[in-house]
Amino acid sequence: DAGITQSPRHKVTETGTPVTLRCHQTENHRYMYWYRQDPGHGLRLIHYSYGVKDTDKGEVSDGYSVSRSKTEDFLLTLESATSSQTSVYFCAISELGRGYTEAFFGQGTRLTVV
Amino acid sequence: GESVGLHLPTLSVQEGDNSIINCAYSNSASDYFIWYKQESGKGPQFIIDIRSNMDKRQGQRVTVLLNKTVKHLSLQIAATQPGDSAVYFCAENLSGYGNKLVFGAGTILRVKS
Repeated sequence: DAGITQSPRHKVTETGTPVTLRCHQTENHRYMYWYRQDPGHGLRLIHYSYGVKDTDKGEVSDGYSVSRSKTEDFLLTLESATSSQTSVYFCAISELGRGYTEAFFGQGTRLTVV
Repeated sequence: GESVGLHLPTLSVQEGDNSIINCAYSNSASDYFIWYKQESGKGPQFIIDIRSNMDKRQGQRVTVLLNKTVKHLSLQIAATQPGDSAVYFCAENLSGYGNKLVFGAGTILRVKS
């Protein structure tokens, strides 16, 4: 398995509180992604990063921010969690564009906002 | 809205039959496509990929077909087995956008024994 660790794996938080999810990789891959997955939906891209301090928005970025201060860590922050952000969050890494390799996924973080 | 796939359909097949899962994409700038399999409670796992300069690629029991004219991808699974039951996603990569990787909604494959 690719070296990707998501933390925490499960979290329950209250509406209005800030939450930060962490994705840590040991593969030195350039590209990192945050997705959310909800029942009946595919993986929807929240934000992605194409290098240290280089990030861009995905399809569902409202209410989320990200930071990447070093290659191995990509943080996803919910500044003020809402019930609509209850979801399973997946981090992925890739070297797409350098030989067109696949993206590898973490095991997911189940977030419940009550 | 999502640019790859619009629905979450279900495909039921008999064990041993061939399965064909379809996916439509809308961005003609996409240059790389991947099929993923996701089992319950797990992250997506790579199945097969294809570059935009190809129209067919074969793996072990799987084949991906790409039709750029109609922006369509398909995944063919030969001799479908119960272990193939999962949700299948196609994904498109836009290398001109920092390698933005966008997924479709997925297709549920159920294999009947």
